[in-house]
Amino acid sequence: DVKVTQSSRYLVKRTGEKVFLECVQDMDHENMFWYRQDPGLGLRLIYFSYDVKMKEKGDIPEGYSVSREKKERFSLILESASTNQTSMYLCASRTNHYGYTFGSGTRLTVV
Amino acid sequence: GQQLNQSPQSMFIQEGEDVSMNCTSSSIFNTWLWYKQDPGEGPVLLIALYKAGELTSNGRLTAQFGITRKDSFLNISASIPSDVGIYFCAGQKGTGTASKLTFGTGTRLQVTL
Repeated sequence: DVKVTQSSRYLVKRTGEKVFLECVQDMDHENMFWYRQDPGLGLRLIYFSYDVKMKEKGDIPEGYSVSREKKERFSLILESASTNQTSMYLCASRTNHYGYTFGSGTRLTVV
Repeated sequence: GQQLNQSPQSMFIQEGEDVSMNCTSSSIFNTWLWYKQDPGEGPVLLIALYKAGELTSNGRLTAQFGITRKDSFLNISASIPSDVGIYFCAGQKGTGTASKLTFGTGTRLQVTL
């Protein structure tokens, strides 16, 4: 089975800090995605990557950046964390043409 | 960006009851998927639908791809406590690996004994 691992389940950061969320997949998939999940809003796409060093903005990229230096790792970066970035962050890897495998999520609280 | 509208937003049902939820869009999708998210975990794929009108089952779950290609439905029969979670629909417009999924707003299901 494909495994998508997010490095932290819970994080608490201060406003203004630079925050790194890490995601690793073990199946050599080309496509990886970062979503944030908020109650009543579902999953919203922040950034995605088709391959190493390739990235594209999703629907809500403001305040975020990403890095994909190796195929298995896709990092989400909050350049200067703000309280409105408190959320659940989900990483996903494309399993095939029609499905994603998600990590367990990182619940980030910015205080 | 577009999001899919799911209803109901939440449901409280008794064990043994059947459940229905749906997902609607203003635009056409070529693929519909249904995911379930257990508390504290990431979403897991339940059912994938590839053709308008298609009806697919996975155990007690049955999903349908609407004929207009703008909606999809998920039914759960004889609910049990482990059905608790958030159910998401997702649609995809293209067929290549570059196509992205658009997710619904989610339906939170609570099952009481």
